[in-house]
Order: sequence, then C-alpha cells, then structure tokens
Amino acid sequence: DAGITQSPRHKVTETGTPVTLRCHQTENHRYMYWYRQDPGHGLRLIHYSYGVKDTDKGEVSDGYSVSRSKTEDFLLTLESATSSQTSVYFCAIRTDGPGELFFGEGSRLTVL
Amino acid sequence: ILNVEQSPQSLHVQEGDSTNFTCSFPSSNFYALHWYRWETAKSPEALFVMTLNGDEKKKGRISATLNTKEGYSYLYIKGSQPEDSATYLCAFLVDSWGKLQFGAGTQVVVTP
Repeated sequence: DAGITQSPRHKVTETGTPVTLRCHQTENHRYMYWYRQDPGHGLRLIHYSYGVKDTDKGEVSDGYSVSRSKTEDFLLTLESATSSQTSVYFCAIRTDGPGELFFGEGSRLTVL
Repeated sequence: ILNVEQSPQSLHVQEGDSTNFTCSFPSSNFYALHWYRWETAKSPEALFVMTLNGDEKKKGRISATLNTKEGYSYLYIKGSQPEDSATYLCAFLVDSWGKLQFGAGTQVVVTP
C-alpha cells in the first residue's frame, strides 16, 4: 500500500467554522492533490502541489486554500465552511512523469 | 477548465457479456491519460497509464486503447463478471506541472 494517510477521516462541523484536512505521505512523491467527490461529477480537482511551496488551483478552488511546507504534508483549509462543501475529500500522490495516482482513504466532511 | 467527457454515464451488463465505453479529451498538448476503477466505499485504484498514440494496455479481462490525435480512449471489459461492477474514471494530465483532471465516470453494473 502507498504510504498516504488522511486526517481526520470523519468530521462534522457548523457553517462558518474553519476546517483543515491533512494529507501525509511517506513516499517522498513530488505531486500531491486534493479532490472532492461529487455525485454526477466524479472527482473534481480542488488544488494540487508540484513541490514544497508550489501549489496551483484546480476546477473548484473557491473557498479552499492549501499549504505545503514539507514534502510529506499537504493541508487543505476551508476558511469558512459552507453546506455546499459537504463532501468526501480524497488526497492523492504521484511520482514524477506520467505515473498514476495513489489515493488516501478519504475524509468525510459534513457541514451543518 | 478543460472538458474530459465520459460516456455513457452508466451501463447495465449481463454477466458474460462484453462492453466498452469512452473517454474523450482535448487532442492538443497531450501528456497522459489514466484509467481508474472505483468501487463503492473504497478509493480509486489505477488501471492504466497511457502515454503514446496507439497505446493498447491490458490487465486480465480489461483493456484500453488510446487515440491522441482525435482525443479519445476506449476501455473494454471482456466477459463481464459481477466483481467488475464499479465506476470507471479516466483522468487527463493537463500540463507539465501535474494538473490531473477527471471525467465524471462510467458506472458499470454487472448482473448475474
């Protein structure tokens, strides 16, 4: 199994509160990604990182920010959670070149 | 936002029948095309990474082809079995910085 863990795995929070999800890898892979699972849309890219302190936006980045201060950690922050951000969030890692993604187990976030 | 389209959205297949479905993507500046299998309540797992026009990949009863000039890839399942029931996702490597964007998926249900 690829060494990738997400925390927390489940979280319930209230509208307007900040939330941070953590993705941690032990593989030293360059690329890290945050996706959200939405019915009818598959996986939608929120943000991704191509190195320490190097990040870029995906398709649905509004309301989200990320940070990568170390190779092994990629943090996703919802500054002020909204009900539309209720979803399952997947982190993934990838090596250099065209190689495949390895996914974490997902973090289920419910915003009430 | 680039369009990565998958069709059909869902398929119902009888056990033993073969089936195929499509992923279409922008035909300019091609880097790579991935296929993933996603079972309910699990994380997606990679099936194939395809990089060259004319690529054909095979894993057991599942195979894929790639046409980068016209911007499509086919996934084939030969002799479908109930354990093939899953959502199949394609993902397009958009640029050299690692942006990887998914289609909405094709949900395959194989009935005995």
